[in-house]
Amino acid sequence: SYLLTQPPSVSVAPGKTARISCGGADIGTKTVHWYQQKPGQAPILVISYDRDRPSGIPERFSGSSSGNTATLTISRVEAEDEADYYCQVWDRSSDLRVFGTGTKVFVL
Amino acid sequence: QVQLVQSGAEVKKPGASVKVSCKASGYTFNNFAIHWVRQAPGQRLEWMGRLLPFNDYIKYSPKFQDRVTISRDTSATTVYMELSGLKFEDTAVYYCAKDLDLTGDSPLGDWGQGTLVSVSS
Repeated sequence: SYLLTQPPSVSVAPGKTARISCGGADIGTKTVHWYQQKPGQAPILVISYDRDRPSGIPERFSGSSSGNTATLTISRVEAEDEADYYCQVWDRSSDLRVFGTGTKVFVL
Repeated sequence: QVQLVQSGAEVKKPGASVKVSCKASGYTFNNFAIHWVRQAPGQRLEWMGRLLPFNDYIKYSPKFQDRVTISRDTSATTVYMELSGLKFEDTAVYYCAKDLDLTGDSPLGDWGQGTLVSVSS
């Protein structure tokens, strides 16, 4: 089955840039979505189709994908960005949705 | 606006079954797939399966294939997830989520509030 690997945690100071990687075989050929999840809450979609921001998501959130790595970038990090982040793809060959291992973002 | 309202918390014994409901409103029910995703305490999100109401197409994750049943009641705009043969490790929050659009690789744009299922002897 298709695997998506993320770093367990990323630490970043307020105002700086956080980059969260999502590694998967030829992930650049797939469509990647990103979700933010805060403690005790359901996930929310923050990036769709590699780089699109849904309505209401700050411009500080951006995405990219190429080769074997997709990246979620959070610019000018704020305290409210402290959360877990998950990448997700659709594995077309098996028609399965797959989530990444998740990354905890700590705002110092 | 889109709303997905799930049934309340459950406590079950090992070997039992649990059935969680997800009541949908605010959109055309038949047109969008509903997915089930679970999250054990402190663990990652885990995709369990999806149902497309208009043709009853269902796809399960191989991990749950033998124990999960996803079904729908169109008149009630409700989707159900039943998990049988419960084990202690099935203790988790179970979420339903709706496709954002009609593409095959749509993201999950709307989520229910989650239902805690606890398996305890």
